[in-house]
Amino acid sequence: EIVLTQSPGTLSLSPGERATLSCRASQSVRSDYLAWYQQKPGQAPRLLIYGTSSRATGIPDRFSGSGSGTDFTLTISRLEPEDFAVYYCQQYGRSPPITFGPGTKVDIK
Amino acid sequence: EVQLLESGGGLVQPGGSLRLSCAASGFSFSTYAMTWVRQAPGKGLEWVSAISGSGGSTYHADSVKGRFTISRDSSKNTLYLQLNSLRAEDTAVYYCATGVGTKGSYYFDFWGQGTLVTVSS
Repeated sequence: EIVLTQSPGTLSLSPGERATLSCRASQSVRSDYLAWYQQKPGQAPRLLIYGTSSRATGIPDRFSGSGSGTDFTLTISRLEPEDFAVYYCQQYGRSPPITFGPGTKVDIK
Repeated sequence: EVQLLESGGGLVQPGGSLRLSCAASGFSFSTYAMTWVRQAPGKGLEWVSAISGSGGSTYHADSVKGRFTISRDSSKNTLYLQLNSLRAEDTAVYYCATGVGTKGSYYFDFWGQGTLVTVSS
């Protein structure tokens, strides 16, 4: 089973700042099958990125994904007020089992 | 518009059973893999089970294997999760989601709003 670790646990930033979120896998993720989700309180998760760097439909271009192997990054170029949320990475390259990271909370500084 | 509506959650005693349903609309149900993902109160996401578009292949996390069963009825555009031998640690919001990919390797592009299962005496 691939274990995903996300850092930092919490990221405190101001609107307009750049956010860089890290996701590290315990083994290489096959074919870079890595996705990112955003979740706001009381809501279901929303798909942001799949295949490491492909944005899902309707996702603004301030969200970008990169990485390969065991190290992946989600970057939000300029934080908007609606971007403060929890972000999860998920690997689906060596599955089942499909695994999620523990999440990074982006909150307002 | 894709819509996924879960139902069937509630309070159940340890050792009890429940069946969750997820009614799907707005897409060709039989062509999509489907999955259940759960989230314990205040915790992160945990993948539970997945089923291929045809229903011929199913996958379960080790934590629920032998206790939970995923199934689908394409005539009703509905996904199910049968939960048996429930434990306190199964308490969570259960989300259904559409899966993109093959052979158990899926990411999830549309999600329902979830149904809460509480296991307690």
